[in-house]
Amino acid sequence: QQQVKQSPQSLIVQKGGISIINCAYENTAFDYFPWYQQFPGKGPALLIAIRPDVSEKKEGRFTISFNKSAKQFSLHIMDSQPGDSATYFCAAGGFKTIFGAGTRLFVKA
Amino acid sequence: EAEVAQSPRYKITEKSQAVAFWCDPISGHATLYWYRQILGQGPELLVQFQDESVVDDSQLPKDRFSAERLKGVDSTLKIQPAELGDSAMYLCASSSREGARNTGELFFGEGSRLTVL
Repeated sequence: QQQVKQSPQSLIVQKGGISIINCAYENTAFDYFPWYQQFPGKGPALLIAIRPDVSEKKEGRFTISFNKSAKQFSLHIMDSQPGDSATYFCAAGGFKTIFGAGTRLFVKA
Repeated sequence: EAEVAQSPRYKITEKSQAVAFWCDPISGHATLYWYRQILGQGPELLVQFQDESVVDDSQLPKDRFSAERLKGVDSTLKIQPAELGDSAMYLCASSSREGARNTGELFFGEGSRLTVL
């Protein structure tokens, strides 16, 4: 499948800190870039998404930064909280949605 | 709040047996997806339906997997015969359309966890 590369694989952040997760895609036909949050035993849930006509989107403590020329995008979680501890997946969508491998985030209290 | 329903939540079977998973998408969602998620990995698309038609099944192992969405509403994913490597979470998702395109926002069910012994 067309790849979406995600890093890091795991991340430990202190409460109140900033969590940053990065993704890169290959196919310029993608036109929708969502981030999903998944808790153990649950299906992924949409957190925030961006289309390539903007470079940044912010919703509360969550921000997507998008670099179309570099084919990269990232998720920033400000003021990280223990309740944010979960697995985060970036994805690239168009005709179909391809997911990254995931980042396991642990926020230390 | 509307949800994607999946059953069963858990299934344990022996290799070479047949298994089936059922999904009922959010009402009105034309697009339905089956993903497979191996523990510690991201979801991998198996099959995508637009109404009752398959629009992508390029990653579906067709020698043993089949999927149908006969009336364009609920869907069934079948594995026959199951192999040890099929142990995974099988996720169903649905999305709506804006005119001729998918919105891109996938709503996932809680998944069906399959263990093949």
